[in-house]
Amino acid sequence: GENVEQHPSTLSVQEGDSAVIKCTYSDSASNYFPWYKQELGKGPQLIIDIRSNVGEKKDQRIAVTLNKTAKHFSLHITETQPEDSAVYFCAASDNDMRFGAGTRLTVKP
Amino acid sequence: EAQVTQNPRYLITVTGKKLTVTCSQNMNHEYMSWYRQDPGLGLRQIYYSMNVEVTDKGDVPEGYKVSRKEKRNFPLILESPSPNQTSLYFCASRKGTGGIYGYTFGSGTRLTVV
Repeated sequence: GENVEQHPSTLSVQEGDSAVIKCTYSDSASNYFPWYKQELGKGPQLIIDIRSNVGEKKDQRIAVTLNKTAKHFSLHITETQPEDSAVYFCAASDNDMRFGAGTRLTVKP
Repeated sequence: EAQVTQNPRYLITVTGKKLTVTCSQNMNHEYMSWYRQDPGLGLRQIYYSMNVEVTDKGDVPEGYKVSRKEKRNFPLILESPSPNQTSLYFCASRKGTGGIYGYTFGSGTRLTVV
């Protein structure tokens, strides 16, 4: 079955800097790659996703890139703000969805 | 508002006392799932349901039961809870399978078994 690895497990940046979280997956049949943000005391919330026929997708300060050949995808957050502090999960899916272990991002003011 | 509602939010119980965590979604989603979240392990799937009366085991099903008698409801049942089931539980739903739909998650149920 699918295995998703996510790095780093923790990430601390200064406000205004960029943050990058990377994930790799094992199943070449996976064709959908969402990213979730989990704030304290809440459930994960979908923030951006990418499908396997697309290499990059952008939504304001967040972007996701996908390299199908290498089986890895990344989340990029630019101009980070304190409210970006949260745990971020990547996932890979064909029919079943598998999640990475999560990255705790801290943005220091 | 489109949402997944699970109850209770917090629950402390004793070993062996049967409990049910309820989950309901108002989006007419076919696919529903239960996850548990533990530090360093991310989200692990317990059970899922692709439609009414269709349920299947996820990665960590031992000690849990589910049912899907109606499309909107997907309760999680712990017949005889044990301390290793202390965890944060999330119910989630999505429109279908086929790998192109994201999940909507509930707010979570923090369960402590003593």
